[in-house]
Amino acid sequence: DSGVTQTPKHLITATGQRVTLRCSPRSGDLSVYWYQQSLDQGLQFLIQYYNGEERAKGNILERFSAQQFPDLHSELNLSSLELGDSALYFCASSNPGQGPPGEQYFGPGTRLTVT
Amino acid sequence: QKEVEQDPGPLSVPEGAIVSLNCTYSNSAFQYFMWYRQYSRKGPELLMYTYSSGNKEDGRFTAQVDKSSKYISLFIRDSQPSDSATYLCAMSAGGYGNKLVFGAGTILRVKS
Repeated sequence: DSGVTQTPKHLITATGQRVTLRCSPRSGDLSVYWYQQSLDQGLQFLIQYYNGEERAKGNILERFSAQQFPDLHSELNLSSLELGDSALYFCASSNPGQGPPGEQYFGPGTRLTVT
Repeated sequence: QKEVEQDPGPLSVPEGAIVSLNCTYSNSAFQYFMWYRQYSRKGPELLMYTYSSGNKEDGRFTAQVDKSSKYISLFIRDSQPSDSATYLCAMSAGGYGNKLVFGAGTILRVKS
């Protein structure tokens, strides 16, 4: 158990809908990362937050947004969903300065199915 | 062309075999190299970490980095059925944000 929790585990929704994925980082971790994992694209970095502020952005679509709250939990919002958004969404956390750079602790993921 | 290339496999070996997993990359700014292991229906977990070029050994696992060739490897000795998983290489240039770039992952199956 990495200490990172994600809810829900599974989500099935229809095209055009909006969903919110939630992540609670490991205790003490200030950075939260969101990734999308699909069969054809592999594990793709979406966005990183550090102590409430956006720190880095990857291949995140404009239909997607995220935020990190004062208690350090994070939410990833996906809107106007398309079939191609079906994937596993992982949250990871780390505390920069502790452990090697690049060491991130991943949650169990949320499997999103868009029908 | 992807920044990090990794053969997705699957790679199937008998128990006890030596396994070699590899990645190539194109970004010469990468200086932190990692191997993550992902079991089915789980999130990735850090297995090995190497900074710059060289070798690192941890039990049955050895990670090698050759920056001149932009090539990294993970060797697993005396492979076990419990090693069956997807192995993802990951790289970072460090610095602000410390964004990780992952390979596609290699599916490994160790047969007993």
